Amino acid sequence: GAGVSQSPSNKVTEKGKDVELRCDPISGHTALYWYRQSLGQGLEFLIYFQGNSAPDKSGLPSDRFSAERTGGSVSTLTIQRTQQEDSAVYLCASSFDSQGPKEQYFGPGTRLTVT
Amino acid sequence: AQSVSQHNHHVILSEAASLELGCNYSYGGTVNLFWYVQYPGQHLQLLLKYFSGDPLVKGIKGFEAEFIKSKFSFNLRKPSVQWSDTAEYFCAVRRGAGSYQLTFGKGTKLSVIP
Repeated sequence: GAGVSQSPSNKVTEKGKDVELRCDPISGHTALYWYRQSLGQGLEFLIYFQGNSAPDKSGLPSDRFSAERTGGSVSTLTIQRTQQEDSAVYLCASSFDSQGPKEQYFGPGTRLTVT
Repeated sequence: AQSVSQHNHHVILSEAASLELGCNYSYGGTVNLFWYVQYPGQHLQLLLKYFSGDPLVKGIKGFEAEFIKSKFSFNLRKPSVQWSDTAEYFCAVRRGAGSYQLTFGKGTKLSVIP
């Protein structure tokens, strides 16, 4: 079946502009995660959605970052007033359920470049 | 805070050489452990995982990893690497008992020379 998809695959934006990144999880997966991968760094957790529960936003680096998940499926990560340090690959993952040993399936990522 | 350390940033091996990539974590409780691989231009993929039971786990493509609780380690091994193993490898840890958040190491880039 289809995996996690993300769009756009690449995004170049000017400093100060807002960007929206989209994630389509695997159908039926209730848990959705956003991570950020900066050059030479591991994956940094940003935010987590599980069903209709309130999201865990503890990993968002600043109030310029926000995310929503509509209808328990598609998620959008929004970065307002982008800065050069926001340049990174943003990865989305989904799993059947957050509880128990459920594997997270990753999307291809969106490479964001802020000029 | 929990952390995951991968000791090698970049490893270069010739084909048929043996591989061992180190991974240590700092959390003292029950953990779930993972190795992910990212081949050039591809998604992150799960290579293998440990939840409980036999501490020696086998994954895809001939990889295995051993969980040594006393050393807080989960090293990845392969007896004989191939050029196609060239990729970046990430160790990840999740606290057991219902946690969902994965903490990743910074990754080890493996280059295999034909």
